[in-house]
Amino acid sequence: GAGVSQSPSNKVTEKGKDVELRCDPISGHTALYWYRQSLGQGLEFLIYFQGNSAPDKSGLPSDRFSAERTGGSVSTLTIQRTQQEDSAVYLCASSLPVSNYGYTFGSGTRLTVV
Amino acid sequence: RKEVEQDPGPFNVPEGATVAFNCTYSNSASQSFFWYRQDCRKEPKLLMSVYSSGNEDGRFTAQLNRASQYISLLIRDSKLSDSATYLCVVNVQDDKIIFGKGTRLHILP
Repeated sequence: GAGVSQSPSNKVTEKGKDVELRCDPISGHTALYWYRQSLGQGLEFLIYFQGNSAPDKSGLPSDRFSAERTGGSVSTLTIQRTQQEDSAVYLCASSLPVSNYGYTFGSGTRLTVV
Repeated sequence: RKEVEQDPGPFNVPEGATVAFNCTYSNSASQSFFWYRQDCRKEPKLLMSVYSSGNEDGRFTAQLNRASQYISLLIRDSKLSDSATYLCVVNVQDDKIIFGKGTRLHILP
């Protein structure tokens, strides 16, 4: 596609429910990144993929968080048993294999856990 | 030392002035550096890459100092529309990239 597409754009969920956030990167971008940003805070690295593999999962806050990527394209970030502290904007970015051209972000998913 | 550090600001600068801010990084092996701009409640957008020899794009100049491990961004003739948060981005290993917390810039009329 023309840009990075994230869905849903907004999600309100009850505490304890599971949520799935989707990221559709730019076609041909092999690298895909997930970040989250709480209100007024910086971007917190969660995980990145090179193709379908995730070399670094160290940013995932707990074992309630998982992510996968299939076909070197779409990625899903799953949060199980959501907690109020999970409320944030979840941002996805993608890039070409050589990162000299920077990273393009989607417009994010605003997650609110009530 | 944090992987990527920035002065959070805010920098309050009158319109037309020149402003500069730095970003330090801890991994001497880092190879890729960028400046991003983020407007309130929007996603970050690429402002410019930072090249070893320094580079300029209109009113914006980016520089890299490998010896002291920092990058800088200079904005000349600042405009009201330059008000935003400026994020530095560094690759800390292979393709893993880390964003600084950002520097808030307010251009005053």
